[in-house]
Amino acid sequence: DTAVSQTPKYLVTQMGNDKSIKCEQNLGHDTMYWYKQDSKKFLKIMFSYNNKELIINETVPNRFSPKSPDKAHLNLHINSLELGDSAVYFCASSQVRMGLAKNIQYFGAGTRLSVL
Amino acid sequence: RKEVEQDPGPFNVPEGATVAFNCTYSNSASQSFFWYRQDCRKEPKLLMSVYSSGNEDGRFTAQLNRASQYISLLIRDSKLSDSATYLCVVNNYNQGGKLIFGQGTELSVKP
Repeated sequence: DTAVSQTPKYLVTQMGNDKSIKCEQNLGHDTMYWYKQDSKKFLKIMFSYNNKELIINETVPNRFSPKSPDKAHLNLHINSLELGDSAVYFCASSQVRMGLAKNIQYFGAGTRLSVL
Repeated sequence: RKEVEQDPGPFNVPEGATVAFNCTYSNSASQSFFWYRQDCRKEPKLLMSVYSSGNEDGRFTAQLNRASQYISLLIRDSKLSDSATYLCVVNNYNQGGKLIFGQGTELSVKP
């Protein structure tokens, strides 16, 4: 069983289109994340949800909108795709407990987005 | 200045070599530290957490120096399967669990 699964694995689309990436975790974690890894391999957080509540919202264009229908799912919708959105998008989850200084995150296999 | 800095490499070493990676972080309020490993075209996976007293897991030894804001990873007796990118990761969970990743150090172990 895959602990953190995201779909699709590959996404090739034209500029201007709208697309969604889905993520599900079966670890019982309460916190989920979206990261972007660009062509220089830098991995940077975009969003985080804790129990369906947005807790991290980095400086990301508002064309990107996360949605968490429940704590096991965190989807990412991207409007009006641009060439610069081409990257690998990783979903992750963890169990974050206040007072516990450990935050081990488990990653999905990634979605490789190519905008043409 | 990047929050977490690593030497990007690549490090090309023969099998059996010992190799050390260094990492510095800028936020003195950082509370937990990790090394993640990322294979080519795969997701990052936790290699080991880093504790203040230093810790070892088989051939891997991690050290933390909070005063210098410096983290290291030592790999002894390198195997071909150790070839990957090693990511230094820092967490300040007052920031909602956000992990800050270094740009990674690429290791290539040759026969």
